[in-house]
Amino acid sequence: KAGVTQTPRYLIKTRGQQVTLSCSPISGHRSVSWYQQTPGQGLQFLFEYFSETQRNKGNFPGRFSGRQFSNSRSEMNVSTLELGDSALYLCASSLGSIYQETQYFGPGTRLLVL
Amino acid sequence: DQQVKQNSPSLSVQEGRISILNCDYTNSMFDYFLWYKKYPAEGPTFLISISSIKDKNEDGRFTVFLNKSAKHLSLHIVPSQPGDSAVYFCAASIGQNFVFGPGTRLSVLP
Repeated sequence: KAGVTQTPRYLIKTRGQQVTLSCSPISGHRSVSWYQQTPGQGLQFLFEYFSETQRNKGNFPGRFSGRQFSNSRSEMNVSTLELGDSALYLCASSLGSIYQETQYFGPGTRLLVL
Repeated sequence: DQQVKQNSPSLSVQEGRISILNCDYTNSMFDYFLWYKKYPAEGPTFLISISSIKDKNEDGRFTVFLNKSAKHLSLHIVPSQPGDSAVYFCAASIGQNFVFGPGTRLSVLP
């Protein structure tokens, strides 16, 4: 069974631009969660989607948004990029509730904002 | 204000010995705790979890201990192997909101 895939793997943007990251979960998984990893803050939870609905959201500004499609693939969008948005963005999928189910992480998209 | 702390940024252990990774949290409402392992250039891998109604959970070489009164969590790896060298994150959750610690880099020396 193929694992979680994320595209692109690397991205360079400039301040003020917007970016869209994509995540394809493991086949059959309906939950997709997004995380930001930075050296200073560690791993931080962004939001979780389940059956095309945002089920939970972390403490990030409204510039960070996402959506999930009927095939469970998910996209994350960051508008008006800031230098501090440079990070590794990870997505994870699970069968159902991320509270009860093991999450499987993708390799991440490394975003650099100049 | 970090709700989940891993005060040791790094730890070195000899192969075959025990590795003990520690994690402290501040919010007594957390009810589920997890440990993840992360190799460079890869996403984190789930290792082991524990519910707040338990104080110990064991899976092979990995054991997680929970001390609710001290708001302290630890991961024991016995025996440690070179392949265990990675960054270990602990995470705590309330419902489906997860908070991660900053990670501890474990180096297992042959």
